[in-house]
Amino acid sequence: SAVISQKPSRDICQRGTSLTIQCQVDSQVTMMFWYRQQPGQSLTLIATANQGSEATYESGFVIDKFPISRPNLTFSTLTVSNMSPEDSSIYLCSVDFGSTEAFFGQGTRLTVV
Amino acid sequence: AQSVTQPDIHITVSEGASLELRCNYSYGATPYLFWYVQSPGQGLQLLLKYFSGDTLVQGIKGFEAEFKRSQSSFNLRKPSVHWSDAAEYFCAVGAKVTGRRALTFGSGTRLQVQP
Repeated sequence: SAVISQKPSRDICQRGTSLTIQCQVDSQVTMMFWYRQQPGQSLTLIATANQGSEATYESGFVIDKFPISRPNLTFSTLTVSNMSPEDSSIYLCSVDFGSTEAFFGQGTRLTVV
Repeated sequence: AQSVTQPDIHITVSEGASLELRCNYSYGATPYLFWYVQSPGQGLQLLLKYFSGDTLVQGIKGFEAEFKRSQSSFNLRKPSVHWSDAAEYFCAVGAKVTGRRALTFGSGTRLQVQP
């Protein structure tokens, strides 16, 4: 199994600013995934982060808005840039499920005011 | 591309009654299927998963699900619901696609339990 720690757990930010969310895994993993859960909605994949290469973004998400770093096999960050109230969501990181399951962090609840 | 449909947005059941939450998927090969539960303000907890083998899978908290390939379904069941089961339930499908193994989630079913 994997234990995933996300920081911060929640934040309230001013519009126009940026927030960087950290995701730390207790074991080395090949892929990490970032999801967004808008209020009352399901989870939508933002991007896939591989160590040593650029992240792969899903349709509707762009690197300028959601830059991702993956400096090693246990850590990743997601930045939400130039925030607007529409970015208010829960952001979750997840690790590759391999042959068992997908593990999720507790999420970062972001409110943009 | 894979997709998941949870046709019931909201379900209300009485405590002690049986429960079935529906999930239909679309995927070209044998999918990996999951059910997650999310309580208010909490993260996602895996209830059960299907990878292969026996099509009836048992999970935590007394939940089970049955994979029916002919119906492209993976419905979640519980014989007797407890008040603590009130939460949001998500069905998800996973697939190995060119090295990416992310999950596609359904829209969720919110379960309300009446005393």
